[in-house]
Amino acid sequence: EVQLVQSGAEVKKPGESLKISCKGSGYIFTSSWIGWVRQMPGKGLEWMGVIYPGDSDTRYSPSFQGQVTISADKSISTAYLQWSTLKASDTAMYYCVRLLPSGGILNAFDIWGQGTMVTVSS
Amino acid sequence: DIVMTQSPDSLAVSLGERATINCKSTQSVLYNSNNKNYLAWYQQKPGQPPKLLIYWASIRGSGVPDRFSGSGSGTDFTLTISSLQADDVAVYYCHQYYSSHWTFGQGTRLEIK
Repeated sequence: EVQLVQSGAEVKKPGESLKISCKGSGYIFTSSWIGWVRQMPGKGLEWMGVIYPGDSDTRYSPSFQGQVTISADKSISTAYLQWSTLKASDTAMYYCVRLLPSGGILNAFDIWGQGTMVTVSS
Repeated sequence: DIVMTQSPDSLAVSLGERATINCKSTQSVLYNSNNKNYLAWYQQKPGQPPKLLIYWASIRGSGVPDRFSGSGSGTDFTLTISSLQADDVAVYYCHQYYSSHWTFGQGTRLEIK
């Protein structure tokens, strides 16, 4: 079964750092783009960025460029999303997604992780 | 960025009736070179991640019931549920992947009348 399994919920204080993870299984991890999508409480979906684990080619949404860092460790089939300085406005559910394997970067998101809830509060 | 606008924002339909959700983009998402519309639909049930329903505007995702169908081309698209089931209560999102600055519609909440 193809799946993405994300790390658990986090509660952090403003100014702290955080790295959440997304482990792929059931497919060739290095052959599909992985993306991250934010969903703020009660709101819609926002694309944050994508990475190709095969060569670590990474693209960011202009809205999130400089605010987060996306990385991947292909040896353990895991992608990461990290913040160096969290803000209260980073409180949201974060989903990792797999882009459909065929057709490159311009593709729909066929597999979604279960989500990681990040709460930033003093 | 391409802006995706869905209508209506919310919809109440009786069980067994047809539900129709529309999505309009500010520019065409049809690539002339391959005649494909770079448009997907997702279903998000309460407390769950979104699920891919439709891609390339009209291709059903894996395991998606055939009561779900997608249509349209260029800038105007429709998701149709032919006979609404109780399990279809969810928020539905359209998504363009024509540009690598992916964008989503604001979502349409579907309820049972």
